[in-house]
Amino acid sequence: TQLLEQSPQFLSIQEGENLTVYCNSSSVFSSLQWYRQEPGEGPVLLVTVVTGGEVKKLKRLTFQFGDARKDSSLHITAAQPGDTGLYLCAGVSGNTPLVFGKGTRLSVIA
Amino acid sequence: EADIYQTPRYLVIGTGKKITLECSQTMGHDKMYWYQQDPGMELHLIHYSYGVNSTEKGDLSSESTVSRIRTEHFPLTLESARPSHTSQYLCASSKWSGEAFFGQGTRLTVV
Repeated sequence: TQLLEQSPQFLSIQEGENLTVYCNSSSVFSSLQWYRQEPGEGPVLLVTVVTGGEVKKLKRLTFQFGDARKDSSLHITAAQPGDTGLYLCAGVSGNTPLVFGKGTRLSVIA
Repeated sequence: EADIYQTPRYLVIGTGKKITLECSQTMGHDKMYWYQQDPGMELHLIHYSYGVNSTEKGDLSSESTVSRIRTEHFPLTLESARPSHTSQYLCASSKWSGEAFFGQGTRLTVV
C-alpha cells in the first residue's frame, strides 16, 4: 500500500507569517495533487504536479514536486485567516486508487 | 465548478435500517470513489470503481456495498446501519491523471 505522510499535522500561525507543509512517500507517483477542505464540505482541488522538480504558483501558494516524484511541498506566503482549513495531498500511480495523506490542519489567527 | 452531486446532504436514521447514499457526476469520469471522514480527520477509502461493472473494496468496505451500472452513478448502500457508521461520506470522481472532484458529502447520523 502506498502511503503519503504529511507534516505537520497541526499548524497555528499568526496572520502574515509564512509556512510550509510537507508530503512525503517512499513511492513514486505519476502525479500528485493538493486539496483544501473547509468544515462540512468536500475537498477542493488546488493544483496538480506531474513533472519531477516542477514548481507551480497559485497567488500566495507555491507548490513543488520533488525531483524523484516521491514528495511535495506547499508553501504559503503571508498567510491570511481565509487560508484556514485542512490541506490534503494525494497521489496516483499506475492503476492504484487515489491515495490521500492524513492532512494538515492550518489555523491562521488574525 | 465540479459537477458531482450527493444526496441526501444530511440523514438521521435508526439502527438496523438499510440506507443508500446517492452520488452522480456529469463529467464522464471513469474513476469514482467513496470515502468516509470524521470531522477534520483523514479520508478513509471505502470503495472505488474504474468504470461500469467495475468495483473494488477499499480499507473500510466490509459493511457496505456499491454498484456501477452507469458511468455517472455510484451509489453506496449500508445494509444495516449502526451508530459506528455515524460520519461524513464523500463521493469523488477523477480524471485518469488523478485530479479528483468531490461532492459536498452526506452527513450521516445513526441513532
